[in-house]
Amino acid sequence: EDQVTQSPEALRLQEGESSSLNCSYTVSGLRGLFWYRQDPGKGPEFLFTLYSAGEEKEKERLKATLTKKESFLHITAPKPEDSATYLCAVRYSGNTPLVFGKGTRLSVIA
Amino acid sequence: DTEVTQTPKHLVMGMTNKKSLKCEQHMGHRAMYWYKQKAKKPPELMFVYSYEKLSINESVPSRFSPECPNSSLLNLHLHALQPEDSALYLCASSQSGRRLSEETQYFGPGTRLLVL
Repeated sequence: EDQVTQSPEALRLQEGESSSLNCSYTVSGLRGLFWYRQDPGKGPEFLFTLYSAGEEKEKERLKATLTKKESFLHITAPKPEDSATYLCAVRYSGNTPLVFGKGTRLSVIA
Repeated sequence: DTEVTQTPKHLVMGMTNKKSLKCEQHMGHRAMYWYKQKAKKPPELMFVYSYEKLSINESVPSRFSPECPNSSLLNLHLHALQPEDSALYLCASSQSGRRLSEETQYFGPGTRLLVL
């Protein structure tokens, strides 16, 4: 059973067409939820860390929110340069590794 | 500055070769990580060092040997690799290593490894 599930697997948007990516996780023991952006052949670039339900963080066209069961990454008026794979990762309590979702591949078409 | 550097960017090696990957950070972080990432898959944790001591080894084959010479440097020594070990190898670091579950990890650009 996947502990972190991202949806959709792939998303194609027109430039300016806002949308949201979803990351759902096993409820108990969440210690931190992390969003990363990854371009092909490069390392993940840190975007946001969220710790508790109700928390929101923003950066340029991106906004991340957290509820008790899931997190959303909202993309407002995306541009082609926002095209990338967006990874969600969760840390549970204890000395446990970061658990990654499989990612959402976002393509923004001009 | 949240920069983690990795060298080399690309590496091609034969199955009998010995090579090393290098990772460096100057953020004062005390936890460092090695990940392996295959194409279109998420990163998979290999090793964690906290305060220069190996704290997690995710059952990685002995042909991969990590080393942490000091708090800024992390090496991954490679020997007798197999073609299926070809992947992007990522290094990451986080602040203190004492509260691993809450710390943000910052990744380097990766080393693209091809084993022939």
